[in-house]
Amino acid sequence: ELKVEQNPLFLSMQEGKNYTIYCNYSTTSDRLYWYRQDPGKSLESLFVLLSNGAVKQEGRLMASLDTKARLSTLHITAAVHDLSATYFCAAAYSGAGSYQLTFGKGTKLSVIP
Amino acid sequence: GAVVSQHPSRVICKSGTSVKIECRSLDFQATTMFWYRQFPKQSLMLMATSNEGSKATYEQGVEKDKFLINHASLTLSTLTVTSAHPEDSSFYICSARDREYGYTFGSGTRLTVV
Repeated sequence: ELKVEQNPLFLSMQEGKNYTIYCNYSTTSDRLYWYRQDPGKSLESLFVLLSNGAVKQEGRLMASLDTKARLSTLHITAAVHDLSATYFCAAAYSGAGSYQLTFGKGTKLSVIP
Repeated sequence: GAVVSQHPSRVICKSGTSVKIECRSLDFQATTMFWYRQFPKQSLMLMATSNEGSKATYEQGVEKDKFLINHASLTLSTLTVTSAHPEDSSFYICSARDREYGYTFGSGTRLTVV
């Protein structure tokens, strides 16, 4: 069974600071995803990481994947208030060919002005 | 990009009635649709996986007679909550794998059973 652990679960940070969210998964996974969720909304896709060493960046967010360590990180650079949201990582595995996603518990990020 | 249209976005129903939630893939064929449930301040929990033209596969603990899933075409999957009760109140989200190996999520349905 694939398990995904995310930490921290809650993160309060000041604007302008940097921080990293960590995502560990328990078994071999085909792909790693990062999503953002705003209150009352569905998930917005941020990154898809397909291979070891993959690094993707979009604005102040950068995601990386280390398949050997079974670890993905989401790094926030110079946080701004607009980044306040809940961030989920999810790992995919091809169980019965269906490629189900298993989600972490999410990290609620609050950026304080 | 890929779009999954989910309706309704909000529904309030009386206890004992049934509610149908629709998810349509607008610009791609969704051979597999996933249905999730999310309680407040929690993560998404997979309820079932539906493949076009076949019976859905339900996760352990999910009552298949209560949560009826139909995936009759490559662009439409429906979730019907039968005989809804207040404990079924939740945020339901569908998701489909798109062509680019990503997952596209519907906008979610907030179900409130009174």
